[in-house]
Amino acid sequence: GAGVSQTPSNKVTEKGKYVELRCDPISGHTALYWYRQSLGQGPEFLIYFQGTGAADDSGLPNDRFFAVRPEGSVSTLKIQRTERGDSAVYLCASSLKGRNRGSGANVLTFGAGSRLTVL
Amino acid sequence: QKEVEQNSGPLSVPEGAIASLNCTYSDRVSQSFFWYRQYSGKSPELIMSIYSNGDKEDGRFTAQLNKASQYVSLLIRDSQPSDSATYLCAVKGGGSQGNLIFGKGTKLSVKP
Repeated sequence: GAGVSQTPSNKVTEKGKYVELRCDPISGHTALYWYRQSLGQGPEFLIYFQGTGAADDSGLPNDRFFAVRPEGSVSTLKIQRTERGDSAVYLCASSLKGRNRGSGANVLTFGAGSRLTVL
Repeated sequence: QKEVEQNSGPLSVPEGAIASLNCTYSDRVSQSFFWYRQYSGKSPELIMSIYSNGDKEDGRFTAQLNKASQYVSLLIRDSQPSDSATYLCAVKGGGSQGNLIFGKGTKLSVKP
């Protein structure tokens, strides 16, 4: 697609429920990133995919969070047993390259985000 | 832990003035540096990227990088009310690490 598409744009759920957030990256972008942004904070890195595999999942806060990208395009972020502290805007971004190659390092394009509210 | 530090502001400048935004980072091997602008309720959008020491100019924007001091800045000349937003500094590590580390952002307000 022309841009990074995220669905849903808004999700309200109850504590303890399961949530899936979807990201459709720019066509041809091999790298895909998930970030989480709370009010007044910068985006916090969660996980990064290069193709189908998670190249770096060091930002996932705990084992309730999981993400997949089975065909190297669309990705789903899954949150189990949601807690109120999970409330945030979840941002997805994609880029052409995921590796730092000096001056040609990739540039991230962000989607509009999915606002998650856990009651 | 790799960190990116920014003054959260708000930074208030009059229309037409120069706005100066600063950022420091902890990872000495960082190779790539970015400034993103984020309007309230919107997602970040890239303004500038810089990879080498010195200045890089693009229109009213100038990014400055000093790797020895682990410092990167953004200057906005002839500031406009439409520049009012939060400016996020982002740093990418060296080697094969792919993710960007963001600062908390500096909120800029340009007064007419």
